[in-house]
Amino acid sequence: QVQLVESGGGVVQPGRSLRLSCAASGFTFSIYAIHWVRQAPGKGLEWVAVMTYDGSIQLYADSVKGRFTMSRDNSNNILYLQLNNLRADDTALYYCARVDGVGAFDIWGQGTMVTVSS
Amino acid sequence: EIVLTQSPDFQSVTPKDKVTITCRASQDIGNSLNWYQQKPDQSPKLLIKYASQSFSGVPSRFSGSGSGTDFTLTIDSLEAEDAATYYCHQSSRFPWTFGQGTKVEIK
Repeated sequence: QVQLVESGGGVVQPGRSLRLSCAASGFTFSIYAIHWVRQAPGKGLEWVAVMTYDGSIQLYADSVKGRFTMSRDNSNNILYLQLNNLRADDTALYYCARVDGVGAFDIWGQGTMVTVSS
Repeated sequence: EIVLTQSPDFQSVTPKDKVTITCRASQDIGNSLNWYQQKPDQSPKLLIKYASQSFSGVPSRFSGSGSGTDFTLTIDSLEAEDAATYYCHQSSRFPWTFGQGTKVEIK
């Protein structure tokens, strides 16, 4: 079964850090770029970041650049998103998503919730 | 940044109605436009990719059209299970962006 499973979310104070994980199964993880997309409570979808299949290229939304960092371990089929210096407006459900050959998100995880609050 | 503007924001429809949602891009994005359906408390699901290609397993009542800056998602003969929020998404240029969403409610 092709799937992505996120974990690592939680409640954290402003300025603190969190690391999210995205575990893949059922497909050849090492040949796909993976993205993070977030959704604030009651709001729409916001693209956050992407890492290429081999980890050589990462791109980030301006809203998280310099604070969030992606990494991946292709030998264990897992991707990470390190969230530093968290702010209240980072509060959201964070999804990892696989992208296909034409740039569509064809597989999504169930999401992991990050709440930034004092 | 490419801005995607969907219309309408909300639509209340009756089963068997035809539903049309439009997505306008602030720049030419060719065919790099995708459509997703998101039901409450669920992850988004891909419906249409590359403007008009149906994703595997998606019912044939869903179709997409358009290119350049103007795109349309059409639901022929709406069913009750189609109540959801629909998003367009451009993958032409980074940062990738989404439309604000169109909520479809069943009367």
